[in-house]
Amino acid sequence: QSALTQPASLSGSPGQSITISCTGTNSDVGSYDYVSWYQQHPGKAPKLMIYEVGNRPSGVSNRFSGSKSGDRASLTISGLQAEDEAHYYCSSYTRSSTVDVVFGGGTKVTVL
Amino acid sequence: QVQLQESGPGLVKPSETLSLSCSVSGGSVSSGTYYWTWIRQSPGKGLEWVGYIYYSGTTKYNPSLKSRLTIGRDTSKNHFSLKLNSVTAADTAVYYCARSPSASWPSFDFWGRGTLVTVSS
Repeated sequence: QSALTQPASLSGSPGQSITISCTGTNSDVGSYDYVSWYQQHPGKAPKLMIYEVGNRPSGVSNRFSGSKSGDRASLTISGLQAEDEAHYYCSSYTRSSTVDVVFGGGTKVTVL
Repeated sequence: QVQLQESGPGLVKPSETLSLSCSVSGGSVSSGTYYWTWIRQSPGKGLEWVGYIYYSGTTKYNPSLKSRLTIGRDTSKNHFSLKLNSVTAADTAVYYCARSPSASWPSFDFWGRGTLVTVSS
């Protein structure tokens, strides 16, 4: 069981917006603005899409945006495109005394 | 542009040692404030942080693996490595090496393509 909780799957039609949630606790998401989001296409390495809750690395489309409220972080994909079909993972820094970073279980986004 | 490339055997027998290397180009494993990290992904599962070596040489490991794990580096070759001993089938996974700038730890901005390691006799 992953430390952060994500829905297993979401779907949307081209042009629509979808929001992926990532629920943690006050030991991770709720206490730190160090939430990241990754996109992973089949057989490929994960790609950083969002870091520190809402920052986009250079080259990432502005259709991707991140936010956080309490123990829940969210990734919104606006203007859904076929190329957005992938798995998406969230991660967060954690004040656990053992590990530094925890991941969500991933969300499969399907473009209908 | 930073590039990372994993290398190592794709098949390891149970109870033996899994050894991987991550070659880095476009950056240095011993300068700049970066965490050079190993992350793995078991078949059909999510991501798991394995451990890191900081540019200074400091290491930190996932406690679930700590007793079996060593992460090191060779600054002359500009690569860092992973050694996991006494492996079992549960260690079968795609192993990724990745970089995280310390200013935005733990976000991983560059990743290798990953290498599948299967533990089987």
